[in-house]
Amino acid sequence: SQQGEEDPQALSIQEGENATMNCSYKTSINNLQWYRQNSGRGLVHLILIRSNEREKHSGRLRVTLDTSKKSSSLLITASRAADTASYFCEVEGGSNYKLTFGKGTLLTVNP
Amino acid sequence: GAGVSQSPSNKVTEKGKDVELRCDPISGHTALYWYRQRLGQGLEFLIYFQGNSAPDKSGLPSDRFSAERTGESVSTLTIQRTQQEDSAVYLCASSLAGTGNYGYTFGSGTRLTVV
Repeated sequence: SQQGEEDPQALSIQEGENATMNCSYKTSINNLQWYRQNSGRGLVHLILIRSNEREKHSGRLRVTLDTSKKSSSLLITASRAADTASYFCEVEGGSNYKLTFGKGTLLTVNP
Repeated sequence: GAGVSQSPSNKVTEKGKDVELRCDPISGHTALYWYRQRLGQGLEFLIYFQGNSAPDKSGLPSDRFSAERTGESVSTLTIQRTQQEDSAVYLCASSLAGTGNYGYTFGSGTRLTVV
C-alpha cells in the first residue's frame, strides 16, 4: 500500500490568511481524500477528488490534483481560528482497500 | 445511528490488564476499519472487515491484539495484557463498501492510557 505524505508538517498563520497544504504520493491512484482531525480525535471527511478530476471546491476549501506530479493541494481561504486542526490526505489506488494516511499537517490559525 | 459510535471515549487501564473497545458503524456500511494513532503521529492501520469476507488482520501489531465483528454491525477490538506502548487513540471508520468512492466516516475514537 502507498502512503500520502503531507507537507508542511506544521503551518502557523493569522486569521484571515489562506492556508495551503500539500500531499504527495508515489503510485497511481483512484481517488484522494482530505480529512481534518481536531485534538487527536476522530477524523472528519472534507473532500474527495477522483483521479480524473483536477479541482474541486467545497465552501472555503479548494482541492487540486495533479496526477502527473502525483500531488494534491488543499487550500483553505480566509482561515478562521476554528480551522486549527491536523489535516490528512488519504490515497487509494488499484484494488487496495486500505486507507493509508500520512502524518498530517498541523495547521494553527492565530486569532 | 447517524454516525460511527465508539465506546468508551476514554479508558485508563493498568499495565497487564485486558481491554475491549467497541465500534458501532453506520447501519448498512459493510466496510469497517480500526486504526491506531499515537500522540503526534499519523494513523496506523490495524484491521479491516468487509462484509462476510475474512478480515485483513495484517496491521495488528502483535498477537495481543484481536478484533471481531458481528455480521455487518458492531466490532470489538481487544487488547490483552496491555503495555504502555499500547497507549493511543483507537479510531474506527466505516464505509458503504471497501473503496473510497463513498468516503469514510470515523468515530471520535477511544483514548487508551496504560499506566
